[in-house]
Amino acid sequence: AQSVTQLDSQVPVFEEAPVELRCNYSSSVSVYLFWYVQYPNQGLQLLLKYLSGSTLVKGINGFEAEFNKSQTSFHLRKPSVHISDTAEYFCAVSDNGGSYIPTFGRGTSLIVHP
Amino acid sequence: GAGVSQSPSNKVTEKGKDVELRCDPISGHTALYWYRQSLGQGLEFLIYFQGNSAPDKSGLPSDRFSAERTGGSVSTLTIQRTQQEDSAVYLCASSPDRSSYNEQFFGPGTRLTVL
Repeated sequence: AQSVTQLDSQVPVFEEAPVELRCNYSSSVSVYLFWYVQYPNQGLQLLLKYLSGSTLVKGINGFEAEFNKSQTSFHLRKPSVHISDTAEYFCAVSDNGGSYIPTFGRGTSLIVHP
Repeated sequence: GAGVSQSPSNKVTEKGKDVELRCDPISGHTALYWYRQSLGQGLEFLIYFQGNSAPDKSGLPSDRFSAERTGGSVSTLTIQRTQQEDSAVYLCASSPDRSSYNEQFFGPGTRLTVL
């Protein structure tokens, strides 16, 4: 079994400031990790994913995330946010132990103020 | 190419009525998932289809919920005798195959309101 915890339900930030959205997971087997973004009234779309290799993963729209196995974390970062980054962000984990159903976190609402 | 589509985009129904929600996955994708998204609750897994295999129904919350996938493509989620707690956004996603390293491609969702 696996689980995902997104520690912050809401993160307010000013435009052009840096932001970090936190994600921790638990799993008894090795995992694949994903971040999705959901803009208002839309479905989710992939920002980035970690499968293997380099622990720093770069995604779309200037976002990046770092896989930390010892801390079981996969935090999402952006050095300078824009108003258009206002959205809901979901961390997800799937394992390579035979379950084909990923587990999603409860989401973090990023609110960018001018 | 075309993405995942869902219809209707919005559905308002009265308590006790049955509803059908439709999902058209990306052509060629063999894996299809249904999720329910309630306010502040994240994504709740409902059901998973993979090719011609028996679906994984482990997430369905009650026997009022059912789903089918015809011809390995279009899927319909049916909720019988709707209740107010069924009000939510229902999301469909597809994936090229069942590999857990694949991303999921989501539709825009159907917002269901039960009065």
